[in-house]
Amino acid sequence: SQKIEQNSEALNIQEGKTATLTCNYTNYSPAYLQWYRQDPGRGPVFLLLIRENEKEKRKERLKVTFDTTLKQSLFHITASQPADSATYLCALDLDFSGGYNKLIFGAGTRLAVHP
Amino acid sequence: GAGVSQSPRYKVAKRGQDVALRCDPISGHVSLFWYQQALGQGPEFLTYFQNEAQLDKSGLPSDRFFAERPEGSVSTLKIQRTQQEDSAVYLCASSPPPYGTFLEDTQYFGPGTRLTVL
Repeated sequence: SQKIEQNSEALNIQEGKTATLTCNYTNYSPAYLQWYRQDPGRGPVFLLLIRENEKEKRKERLKVTFDTTLKQSLFHITASQPADSATYLCALDLDFSGGYNKLIFGAGTRLAVHP
Repeated sequence: GAGVSQSPRYKVAKRGQDVALRCDPISGHVSLFWYQQALGQGPEFLTYFQNEAQLDKSGLPSDRFFAERPEGSVSTLKIQRTQQEDSAVYLCASSPPPYGTFLEDTQYFGPGTRLTVL
């Protein structure tokens, strides 16, 4: 069956450390993979998109890797801050032949950065 | 500028009631998506509109769910005869035109409507 797995346990780290979140998937062949941030009571906010032929993408303190052989993406936040505390969602971008991207989301990983 | 807005933000319904949830996408956005998010889960795709055309409704869980976007802007998700399992947050997202031309389009989400069915 098709599945997307993210760390189900909350990730607690100390301010200043690097947070690493994992997204594993099976039986999908996404063209793109996206990461979103979701705060309580709010909708997801887009952070980064990485294509299947890209190994790594960076944006400020964020870095995403995408290994289509392992079927895994890693999401890193360097020099983490308490304001980075949120739930982070991985989403596979599928079915582009239809002229739109259908996003399939993982359940998300809750990150808590402690001062 | 204004983002995606949804109303109401919270809705409590008695089992069996009909509800209507509204989405105002970002002005000019061609594509509009509806998602359902259960507690502790990621959003699940319900349906997709390109302008007024509903191109994909494969995620609608039953025929009690109906969505429309008659003029290609505001959209309404209607749930008839609500059941307790319909309790969730309903998210709307829009994307700018020309969708599909730029293969890296992303989605802009509204704050969601939290539906509780008693």
